[in-house]
Amino acid sequence: EPEVTQTPSHQVTQMGQEVILRCVPISNHLYFYWYRQILGQKVEFLVSFYNNEISEKSEIFDDQFSVERPDGSNFTLKIRSTKLEDSAMYFCASSPGTLNTGELFFGEGSRLTVL
Amino acid sequence: AQSVTQLDSQVPVFEEAPVELRCNYSSSVSVYLFWYVQYPNQGLQLLLKYLSGSTLVKGINGFEAEFNKSQTSFHLRKPSVHISDTAEYFCAVSEEGRRALTFGSGTRLQVQP
Repeated sequence: EPEVTQTPSHQVTQMGQEVILRCVPISNHLYFYWYRQILGQKVEFLVSFYNNEISEKSEIFDDQFSVERPDGSNFTLKIRSTKLEDSAMYFCASSPGTLNTGELFFGEGSRLTVL
Repeated sequence: AQSVTQLDSQVPVFEEAPVELRCNYSSSVSVYLFWYVQYPNQGLQLLLKYLSGSTLVKGINGFEAEFNKSQTSFHLRKPSVHISDTAEYFCAVSEEGRRALTFGSGTRLQVQP
């Protein structure tokens, strides 16, 4: 069964460093997403991406964040200069087609720890 | 903006007992409603969804949920739980026309033998 894969599963970084989290969405899906979950808090929407551009983003997704689909298979989230409060589990998700059925297929997450 | 409230952070229950996980939402526009499940060390998986039509929706693993517009609720139920149902359950909403999901804080279902 096709699945969304994320790497790395866990990354530890120093405050101020750049981090890139990688995702391989399901191959025939058209919409891609990043969500995050700070420990003990809700899963929060960051950004959605369609047709090589951001289609929607939340207030959390400020200038420190960027997304890219560099090669037609990977979907990346970059955090330019990490802060302590960026420590969280980051989930990538994808969904098929243009019909909004709300079914997102999630990866297992990348845990980011900022020291 | 919409919001989702899951009042119960943890629900302990014995195996084969019934369970209800509560979810209430608020929104000024029409919404779609979802329940996702997260098993340990895995990503979130869709359990069931309400888009329109019948207010009682059935999902995977014997779960069902009922949309109640007047009470703005979408409670999840299962008549008889198994040990394997132990997981975190998230209620989520999206507004019609938008793809972003707003999640509740999650309910940890702990099924005991």
